[in-house]
Amino acid sequence: GAGVSQSPSNKVTEKGKDVELRCDPISGHTALYWYRQSLGQGLEFLIYFQGNSAPDKSGLPSDRFSAERTGGSVSTLTIQRTQQEDSAVYLCASRRDRGTTGELFFGEGSRLTVL
Amino acid sequence: GENVEQHPSTLSVQEGDSAVIKCTYSDSASNYFPWYKQELGKGPQLIIDIRSNVGEKKDQRIAVTLNKTAKHFSLHITETQPEDSAVYFCAALSPGGGTASKLTFGTGTRLQVTL
Repeated sequence: GAGVSQSPSNKVTEKGKDVELRCDPISGHTALYWYRQSLGQGLEFLIYFQGNSAPDKSGLPSDRFSAERTGGSVSTLTIQRTQQEDSAVYLCASRRDRGTTGELFFGEGSRLTVL
Repeated sequence: GENVEQHPSTLSVQEGDSAVIKCTYSDSASNYFPWYKQELGKGPQLIIDIRSNVGEKKDQRIAVTLNKTAKHFSLHITETQPEDSAVYFCAALSPGGGTASKLTFGTGTRLQVTL
């Protein structure tokens, strides 16, 4: 596709269940980010992948959160044993080059609701 | 780490008036300052950016100014239109090389342009 694609767009789950959120970045983009946006809040950095480098996981809020990026393309964010405070919109973004500046292209997000 | 503060959190202006959003940052080494616009139900989209070697940049009705000494930067929108209504995020990039470099976002400003 032409843009960053995220799925599912909406996910409702029960407390304690595991969820997986998927991100398809723009083809050829080497950098991939996950951010979390809680209601009325800013963009909270979660994790950053750049090519084959070790990812920056410093933003992951707890060990229930993990992410992987397979083949330098698709990424999956996994939240285990979901809690109500995990409810938020999870945004994925990709960037074309290996430099640190340049435009981030965001997907439309996955809205997670934990009941 | 970098801390970005953004004000105001909400801003209402009449169509045709100007809007100004201000951000401050804490890391004097930050060297790249983008602004993103997020429309309802969409991911943020880059509207303008400025690098630390430039004091001002304009693009039609949008301008950004940077004061490195004071560590603050501002977004100016002139002749506002209803389609400018959205949430605006400022951000600052702290250099560090590879995945150590991180983009920190402000908490957002909800701009409403009224007729």
